Amino acid sequence: GEDVEQSLFLSVREGDSSVINCTYTDSSSTYLYWYKQEPGAGLQLLTYIFSNMDMKQDQRLTVLLNKKDKHLSLRIADTQTGDSAIYFCAAFRSGGYNKLIFGAGTRLAVHP
Amino acid sequence: NAGVTQTPKFQVLKTGQSMTLQCAQDMNHNSMYWYRQDPGMGLRLIYYSASEGTTDKGEVPNGYNVSRLNKREFSLRLESAAPSQTSVYFCASRNRGTGNEQFFGPGTRLTVL
Repeated sequence: GEDVEQSLFLSVREGDSSVINCTYTDSSSTYLYWYKQEPGAGLQLLTYIFSNMDMKQDQRLTVLLNKKDKHLSLRIADTQTGDSAIYFCAAFRSGGYNKLIFGAGTRLAVHP
Repeated sequence: NAGVTQTPKFQVLKTGQSMTLQCAQDMNHNSMYWYRQDPGMGLRLIYYSASEGTTDKGEVPNGYNVSRLNKREFSLRLESAAPSQTSVYFCASRNRGTGNEQFFGPGTRLTVL
């Protein structure tokens, strides 16, 4: 079946780069997304990548997609304390009810 | 442009009580969704509505009903709440254009005692 997996926790020092990894099983996924959730808040869309791309950069964020290995990563450059949050990877598959499958989320802790 | 709004933000129910969670979007999106979020499980789809007048079950529909009142509004009803329905509920709407992004509301935190 369709599944999206992420590691549950990442701790980085302020100013370092963070890399959050995600794997998915459905090779039909057409779009892959990264969402950020701060405590007590909803999900904020950070960025997405179309399945025919292998990289997308948006300011401090870089998304890498290895379609062969079904591996997605989010790199945050110069990580700040305000980046502390839970990051969700999600895979979109068109057809049926255009399903968005979420990973369990990676909690990023940024320490001084 | 408020995006996706949800009411209430918090709710406590007793087992067996009923309630309706409200959701509205002002982005003129056709598709709307209800998810629940439980610790360590990501988000799971309860119901969705591809367009006004249509609704369909998602992964975990048991114990819930929905109404797509008009293009803007999509409500979720718990007829007889159970402790297993204690969760955070998110409504989302989808942009069918480039990116197919889903935009989320701030959530409703529901506790069933």
